[in-house]
Amino acid sequence: DAGITQSPRYKITETGRQVTLMCHQTWSHSYMFWYRQDLGHGLRLIYYSAAADITDKGEVPDGYVVSRSKTENFPLTLESATRSQTSVYFCASTAGTAPGNTIYFGEGSWLTVV
Amino acid sequence: AQTVTQSQPEMSVQEAETVTLSCTYDTSESDYYLFWYKQPPSRQMILVIRQEAYKQQNATENRFSVNFQKAAKSFSLKISDSQLGDAAMYFCAYRSMNYGGSQGNLIFGKGTKLSVKP
Repeated sequence: DAGITQSPRYKITETGRQVTLMCHQTWSHSYMFWYRQDLGHGLRLIYYSAAADITDKGEVPDGYVVSRSKTENFPLTLESATRSQTSVYFCASTAGTAPGNTIYFGEGSWLTVV
Repeated sequence: AQTVTQSQPEMSVQEAETVTLSCTYDTSESDYYLFWYKQPPSRQMILVIRQEAYKQQNATENRFSVNFQKAAKSFSLKISDSQLGDAAMYFCAYRSMNYGGSQGNLIFGKGTKLSVKP
């Protein structure tokens, strides 16, 4: 099915481990985003990408790494997970540059760092 | 930098009645987009309604409408004939028209949790 999918949906990991959250979209949208959602903070931007091989930091990038070798994929890596990175992570995408374009969200990845 | 404030952490409404969720924002830009997203317990983010700042007419989508007051920088969401399925977290969000860098992303408020009583 077309859309935006995230994997894994649920993950428990230990402090210090590397974790990669995958995001795949089938629309060939140019823009992709990673947000984290924490109680009392709403959604905050971690990283975004305007196109393949173009990425940049958002509001809360520390401790995260992204890559975008293909338009449809935008993985988010926690290089050494910390408990403060326990959160729900959302990937999103949108076509073109018009701000009125709808931003579509994945279903979220629930990450617990113990 | 733009900010979005939702001053009501929680709201409650009786089924079939009307409820209004508040949102204010701060920006120096003259044109932008505003959105309301619904997040049910499944955590899926669902676009409810959008409003472009230069359009004076308030947006409406079925039972959902907004009251957009540009000068006051206010963007409230009215839900009419509330249904049990409307129970969710609602997020107000801002998006710049200056689509460059991170300005193209959504800036969210902290959300309002809406409960619907049968």
